[in-house]
Amino acid sequence: QIQLVQSGPELKKPGESVKISCKASGYTFTNYGMYWVKQAPGQGLQYMGWINTETGKPTYADDFKGRFVFFLETSASTAYLQINNLKNEDMATYFCARAGDYPGIPFAYWGQGTLVTVSS
Amino acid sequence: DIQMTQSPASLSASLGETVTIECLASEDIYSNLAWYQQKPGKSPQLLIYYANSLNDGVPSRFSGSGSGTQYSLKINSLQSEDVSIYFCQQNYDSPPTFGGGTKLELK
Repeated sequence: QIQLVQSGPELKKPGESVKISCKASGYTFTNYGMYWVKQAPGQGLQYMGWINTETGKPTYADDFKGRFVFFLETSASTAYLQINNLKNEDMATYFCARAGDYPGIPFAYWGQGTLVTVSS
Repeated sequence: DIQMTQSPASLSASLGETVTIECLASEDIYSNLAWYQQKPGKSPQLLIYYANSLNDGVPSRFSGSGSGTQYSLKINSLQSEDVSIYFCQQNYDSPPTFGGGTKLELK
């Protein structure tokens, strides 16, 4: 079955970097883009962007240009989100997600989420 | 970006009741509307796509409707396991955008 398994919770200080992994299984990794979604504590869902798993080209939503980096380790069917120069407002749960099997079906598969805590 | 406005923000209902959650898009999204259910501490789960198509494994008491800018999610015969936060999302235009969520509780 299709699974997206994310790395565990992180505790970081402001100014540090964090790298979150999302390991895919149960399908051909390069056939589907990988999306990233942020959920601040008690808040809604915010789309961060996606990475083309065939070409490695990332596309960032406007609010996530600059300090956020999407990249791949295709041989390991793993997508990564790196956040540099962490700020307090980056404290959130980050989800990776994959679209459904047919065109137009949105985020049908989700990772379990990775909580990033930013505290001095 | 297309703005998605969900209402109500919170809702309290009794077991067996029918509840309806609304979602209003800032422009026509041509039925490219999805609904997600998120239980506490869990990731969102896709319930409905294309406004009214039930995702695999989703109970038939969930249904979606709407067109243009106005959409709704209906839950018939509310069950205890339906206590969750529900989000709508448009995927007509990039970036995909979500509604603010509706917290459904039992009365």
